[in-house]
Amino acid sequence: AQKITQTQPGMFVQEKEAVTLDCTYDTSDPSYGLFWYKQPSSGEMIFLIYQGSYDQQNATEGRYSLNFQKARKSANLVISASQLGDSAMYFCAMREQPYSGNTGKLIFGQGTTLQVKP
Amino acid sequence: SQTIHQWPATLVQPVGSPLSLECTVEGTSNPNLYWYRQAAGRGLQLLFYSVGIGQISSEVPQNLSASRPQDRQFILSSKKLLLSDSGFYLCAWSGRPVYNSPLHFGNGTRLTVT
Repeated sequence: AQKITQTQPGMFVQEKEAVTLDCTYDTSDPSYGLFWYKQPSSGEMIFLIYQGSYDQQNATEGRYSLNFQKARKSANLVISASQLGDSAMYFCAMREQPYSGNTGKLIFGQGTTLQVKP
Repeated sequence: SQTIHQWPATLVQPVGSPLSLECTVEGTSNPNLYWYRQAAGRGLQLLFYSVGIGQISSEVPQNLSASRPQDRQFILSSKKLLLSDSGFYLCAWSGRPVYNSPLHFGNGTRLTVT
């Protein structure tokens, strides 16, 4: 079963507007972490933002914020004031942290392609 | 600062040929290391990870193997490539504590098996 689901294969947003990229996850572990990455056409994976399952506040990093709704198991990425350089593929990922040990591995969703229109 | 080097950037290999992709990390010690593969337009699939020298865990049965001969060196190999091995291979490392450390990725190797 999919542990990370990104339901939007592609999204368009007008430059300077905000956009929300959806991510839902499935885990039975009470302790886990959620990550978002950006992958431009060059292929590099750029880490954007992290949210821990016990964090009380939504994470923010510059123009990126994470709308974390634990009961709904969703961790949507919000990009404010979109720029042309934000055009890329965006991946949501989860790290489960079982008491038996933490290998640190991330499970990735299928990604959402974002295109910013001038 | 920490850096990760992965090479080569692109590779075209015939079916049945061997493969060796190398990844090294600088500026940190005892990292966790990972090999992921990405099919075109898809998500990342974890192939192998390592929590220490000589310690390799495989996530997906296949004709690939991995080795960690030194603390900051991770190698992905195959004795005989298949067409289905084509893809974008990414090496990554994470620091300590693991629970909130992001993975830091290399620039990837685009492998085409012909």
